[in-house]
Amino acid sequence: QVQLQESGPGLVKPSQTLSLTCTVSGGSITRGNYYWSWIRQPAGKGLEWIGRIYLGGTTHYNPSLKSRVTISVDTSRNQFSLKLSSMAAADTAIYYCARGSGTYYNTPSGTYFYYYMADWGTGTTVTVSS
Amino acid sequence: DVVMTQSPHSLPVTPGEPASISCRSSQSLLHSNGYTYLDWYLQKPGQSPQLLIYMGSNRASGVPDRFSGSGSDTDFTLKISRVEAEDVGVYYCMQALQSITFGQGTRLEIK
Repeated sequence: QVQLQESGPGLVKPSQTLSLTCTVSGGSITRGNYYWSWIRQPAGKGLEWIGRIYLGGTTHYNPSLKSRVTISVDTSRNQFSLKLSSMAAADTAIYYCARGSGTYYNTPSGTYFYYYMADWGTGTTVTVSS
Repeated sequence: DVVMTQSPHSLPVTPGEPASISCRSSQSLLHSNGYTYLDWYLQKPGQSPQLLIYMGSNRASGVPDRFSGSGSDTDFTLKISRVEAEDVGVYYCMQALQSITFGQGTRLEIK
């Protein structure tokens, strides 16, 4: 059973860059058809997808955050990371990492892989304050 | 951006009674392959979100069969046939056809 655990600073100053790490245990980050994703949730509010990375290095980011986000993978440490620059009070949130896994399915036009996020970390709280 | 709109915002339900949550997307979630790119998640109090339904109507592993998903194009529904106390939490729909966006959530509470 794969487990994900976020880690990083709980407090970041305005304008600084946030760096978070998600450590994957119970399975290699290099095996299987997965993507590795970050999602955040301001206190008492809904979920906001930040972005994802596939093992081959392909990344997709939320257009509203794209200019400030970098997601990367460190296969030697079985970790993936989030960097979010120019932090502001509005970035205060619980940050979750998640694994996108899924299933193959056949259609008349071919075989596809449908991804879903079945495995999530417990989340880490990040506060932006001077 | 694909905007996801859920209703109601809050849903009080008596245990044993059914419940229904609506999710509407600003664009069709039907992929050219004929499948719908819509998932449902439940976030129980103090916990991370958990996957309930994927591809519109497929229950995730371990999800009780009292949960069902339906709908197509831009109009989707999550139904709970008989609500139990453990179903309390916030339900989110999520589209994965263009980037990823979540609905604002529906809070289910026990009457």
